[in-house]
Amino acid sequence: ETGVTQTPRHLVMGMTNKKSLKCEQHLGHNAMYWYKQSAKKPLELMFVYSLEERVENNSVPSRFSPECPNSSHLFLHLHTLQPEDSALYLCASSRQTLTSGLLGNEQFFGPGTRLTVL
Amino acid sequence: SQQGEEDPQALSIQEGENATMNCSYKTSINNLQWYRQNSGRGLVHLILIRSNEREKHSGRLRVTLDTSKKSSSLLITASRAADTASYFCATDAAGSNYKLTFGKGTLLTVNP
Repeated sequence: ETGVTQTPRHLVMGMTNKKSLKCEQHLGHNAMYWYKQSAKKPLELMFVYSLEERVENNSVPSRFSPECPNSSHLFLHLHTLQPEDSALYLCASSRQTLTSGLLGNEQFFGPGTRLTVL
Repeated sequence: SQQGEEDPQALSIQEGENATMNCSYKTSINNLQWYRQNSGRGLVHLILIRSNEREKHSGRLRVTLDTSKKSSSLLITASRAADTASYFCATDAAGSNYKLTFGKGTLLTVNP
């Protein structure tokens, strides 16, 4: 176990549904990330939160809406998704420091949510 | 085009053999990281090597970094069936303080 949990592990939804993915980290980290992993494609960064403030929105469609209520929790709200949004959604966290910055330390990943959009 | 690209795309070896995977990148970096992913699961961090380091070890893992060639290699010695996984390199993208860019990965299969 990496100390990062994600729920649900599997989700099947229709294109008109609204659902949310949840991520929780128990590591005392101050940065959290959402990634999308599709078949045959590199891992894609979606959103970055540092100290509960969104610092990166990697040209993600508005049907994906992140929320970070505190440094331990991260949500990804989904609405009116498309079949091409079917993928493994991974949450990660890391520790940002003044000396290492955001990218100078390892990221800890959750097990992912396998999303299927019908 | 992506920052990091692993080579080969797939590698199949026998238990006990060594496995070497390579990563090439295009722009200057501060750090390079290697991760492992078992099928359909999250990624697990293996090693982080900084741009001023040339080699790093962790157990059966050895990572090298050649900034002049913009390349890195991951060596797994005395491989085991449990090493079967996909291996990714990740680099910090030039001009960004927040983005790690991952390659498509090398799928390693270790046959018992």
